[in-house]
Amino acid sequence: GDSVTQMEGPVTLSEEAFLTINCTYTATGYPSLFWYVQYPGEGLQLLLKATKADDKGSNKGFEATYRKETTSFHLEKGSVQVSDSAVYFCARRAGAGSYQLTFGKGTKLSVIP
Amino acid sequence: GAGVSQTPSNKVTEKGKYVELRCDPISGHTALYWYRQSLGQGPEFLIYFQGTGAADDSGLPNDRFFAVRPEGSVSTLKIQRTERGDSAVYLCASSPGQGGSPLHFGNGTRLTVT
Repeated sequence: GDSVTQMEGPVTLSEEAFLTINCTYTATGYPSLFWYVQYPGEGLQLLLKATKADDKGSNKGFEATYRKETTSFHLEKGSVQVSDSAVYFCARRAGAGSYQLTFGKGTKLSVIP
Repeated sequence: GAGVSQTPSNKVTEKGKYVELRCDPISGHTALYWYRQSLGQGPEFLIYFQGTGAADDSGLPNDRFFAVRPEGSVSTLKIQRTERGDSAVYLCASSPGQGGSPLHFGNGTRLTVT
């Protein structure tokens, strides 16, 4: 079935370091891809998305590119801040008209000053 | 504006008891979803409502779990004869209704079965 695999955490970085969180997905059909973020004490929030191959989603300095050839959607940020400390979830949805999200296990990021 | 509201935020119950978890979606959102997040895992789909009807309940783990949305707004997830394995965070999300719309999640209800 559909699945999403993301790198296990926790990840600890110093402020202003470069961040990469790897995510790969099953290639069935034409999925849409998402990154969600969960800040401490808050609900899941959509961070960015991409709906077709080669699309780049971006928000708050984070970027991820939909790579069909490698079935990947890695999350990157050039310079992390303490406020980026959160749990990040990669997710896929089967297609444009689909509604069901399949999530990865989440990666906890801690940024230290 | 108001987001998705879930109550209670925490619920502790004894094994074998019945529990109800409530979700108030964003006003006007016709689609409503329940997910379950176990410790160290990502959220897993339980059930999806479009309006009052359950369009897909394929994620409900067994017949102890049931959900309703009688007026197409508030939804209640009901768990009978709770088991320790039901302990998890139960997440509710809503969206305007189109398949491509982003989901807006609540903060979840943390259920602990002792």
